[in-house]
Amino acid sequence: DGGITQSPKYLFRKEGQNVTLSCEQNLNHDAMYWYRQDPGQGLRLIYYSQIVNDFQKGDIAEGYSVSREKKESFPLTVTSAQKNPTAFYLCASSTQGGIRTGELFFGEGSRLTVL
Amino acid sequence: AQSVTQLDSQVPVFEEAPVELRCNYSSSVSVYLFWYVQYPNQGLQLLLKYLSGSTLVKGINGFEAEFNKSQTSFHLRKPSVHISDTAEYFCAVSDNNAGNMLTFGGGTRLMVKP
Repeated sequence: DGGITQSPKYLFRKEGQNVTLSCEQNLNHDAMYWYRQDPGQGLRLIYYSQIVNDFQKGDIAEGYSVSREKKESFPLTVTSAQKNPTAFYLCASSTQGGIRTGELFFGEGSRLTVL
Repeated sequence: AQSVTQLDSQVPVFEEAPVELRCNYSSSVSVYLFWYVQYPNQGLQLLLKYLSGSTLVKGINGFEAEFNKSQTSFHLRKPSVHISDTAEYFCAVSDNNAGNMLTFGGGTRLMVKP
């Protein structure tokens, strides 16, 4: 079945460590996105990419990095510079039509906890 | 800049009762509007969307929403809720001025009681 796969589902990290969250899609979607979700704050955009080898910062990019070497993959690295990384991270993708309207398809999420 | 306000952070309701989840947005141009549902520890699933045409939009699981341009609202309704509707609901808006990026509201937790 087509969809978006995020891994790991749960991740624990010590302070000062970098961690990479995986996002893979087999929907043949052009655009991919990373959102952060905190209780009561909705979703906030971290980074997005509308084409391979190109990506843009979202509203809260500081302390994060991404790459888009393949259409199917958009990994997110949470660096030690991110001051409050504990959150639920959601990866999403969209078609060309979705890029015009904003419609997104979401993965199941990854919950990162910093100990 | 566009913004989305979901007026109720939590809505408790008894099973089989009707429910309305409120959403207001601010934007000076034409918008696209969405409602997503999130079950615990899962991603978001599209419930319904308004892109153009009829202002009454029907979605999955018996939900519907009405786009009201004059009141800049997009309230979500269901005439009779089920226990399985317990979840968090997010309203989202995009417009051309924001590069068609979605802006999400803070979410409304619907709690259906037996």
